[in-house]
Amino acid sequence: EDKVVQSPLSLVVHEGDTVTLNCSYEVTNFRSLLWYKQEKKAPTFLFMLTSSGIEKKSGRLSSILDKKELSSILNITATQTGDSAIYLCAVEEDMRFGAGTRLTVKP
Amino acid sequence: SQTIHQWPATLVQPVGSPLSLECTVEGTSNPNLYWYRQAAGRGLQLLFYSIGIGQISSEVPQNLSASRPQDRQFILSSKKLLLSDSGFYLCAWSRDRVHEQYFGPGTRLTVT
Repeated sequence: EDKVVQSPLSLVVHEGDTVTLNCSYEVTNFRSLLWYKQEKKAPTFLFMLTSSGIEKKSGRLSSILDKKELSSILNITATQTGDSAIYLCAVEEDMRFGAGTRLTVKP
Repeated sequence: SQTIHQWPATLVQPVGSPLSLECTVEGTSNPNLYWYRQAAGRGLQLLFYSIGIGQISSEVPQNLSASRPQDRQFILSSKKLLLSDSGFYLCAWSRDRVHEQYFGPGTRLTVT
């Protein structure tokens, strides 16, 4: 059965720390991997990764895909309390989501 | 710009009662539409997706059903709710299967 596994499931850091979130997948027909941030309600889109080794970057967030290792990482540098959220990864073509990583950033 | 609406925002229903959740999208045509359920502390489980009017694919067998009576309207229904149907239901749309999804605000359903 296709699956998407995220780690860690939860993480508590202090402001200014750098965090790395992991997403590994086993799917039959990989097309792309997506990262979302979910604060209170609706997840919001962060990145879509289709090619291995190409980093996507947005401010303090960046992500990269490793097709050989069937995984992706999401990095957040200089974390802020506003980064506290659940970070979800999903793999197309089935839009299968991982369980998410709950990140808590303490002041 | 595109917007997606869901209602109601919260719902408390007794076991055995029917359910109807509605989702509408504005500002785009022929979107792909999705229904997800998120249990507490869990990831999103894809329930249904639709690529066009009347075209519904079910991902998980259950007592829920979905319909798409209009291009930008997606409805999630049940004839008789179970306790296990409690959760956070999210509707989403995308341009097609290779583009990112945009989520609605969600409906928190509690079955008592």
